[in-house]
Amino acid sequence: AQSVAQPEDQVNVAEGNPLTVKCTYSVSGNPYLFWYVQYPNRGLQFLLKYITGDNLVKGSYGFEAEFNKSQTSFHLKKPSALVSDSALYFCAVRDITGGFKTIFGAGTRLFVKA
Amino acid sequence: SAVISQKPSRDICQRGTSLTIQCQVDSQVTMMFWYRQQPGQSLTLIATANQGSEATYESGFVIDKFPISRPNLTFSTLTVSNMSPEDSSIYLCSVERAGGMDEQFFGPGTRLTVL
Repeated sequence: AQSVAQPEDQVNVAEGNPLTVKCTYSVSGNPYLFWYVQYPNRGLQFLLKYITGDNLVKGSYGFEAEFNKSQTSFHLKKPSALVSDSALYFCAVRDITGGFKTIFGAGTRLFVKA
Repeated sequence: SAVISQKPSRDICQRGTSLTIQCQVDSQVTMMFWYRQQPGQSLTLIATANQGSEATYESGFVIDKFPISRPNLTFSTLTVSNMSPEDSSIYLCSVERAGGMDEQFFGPGTRLTVL
């Protein structure tokens, strides 16, 4: 069965510093991996995805994520955090051998201080 | 991208009643899903809405409690039946255009409170 873990409930970072939001996954086949963001009182928005190819994927708002197969991780990163990045971030995994169901992690709340 | 609207945006309902939530997409999509989310928490998949056939429900969710319709490729409804306070949550409609490798798009959600 597929699963995804976000080990940190909350991440605090100062504006201008780099940020990392961690995600690990477990699937039986090749994973499709996604990051979504939910800003306060707004719907979920897609940030980026890994399907195949280059392990480093770039997405919206300057975010990027690195797929690491040996560590089964897909950490979200940004070189310089903005206060406006403060939001709830969800990692998600899809194992197409098990159908098209997407499993979402518990979410990590990011606080960026000015 | 896909633009998704949901109606109603929020509602307060009495125990024992039912509420139907509508989801409309601005373009034809392959996959439509219904999720439940407690504020600030993760998403739980209720079911996949299948066009022209019965929805596929996840463990813990049954058709009698959450009947779903999907008459075409742009519209779906979720009914929350015989509601109890435990059904208070945000209900999200989500779509995927092609199936498999695409990202999902989410509606704004319906915030349901059951008294």
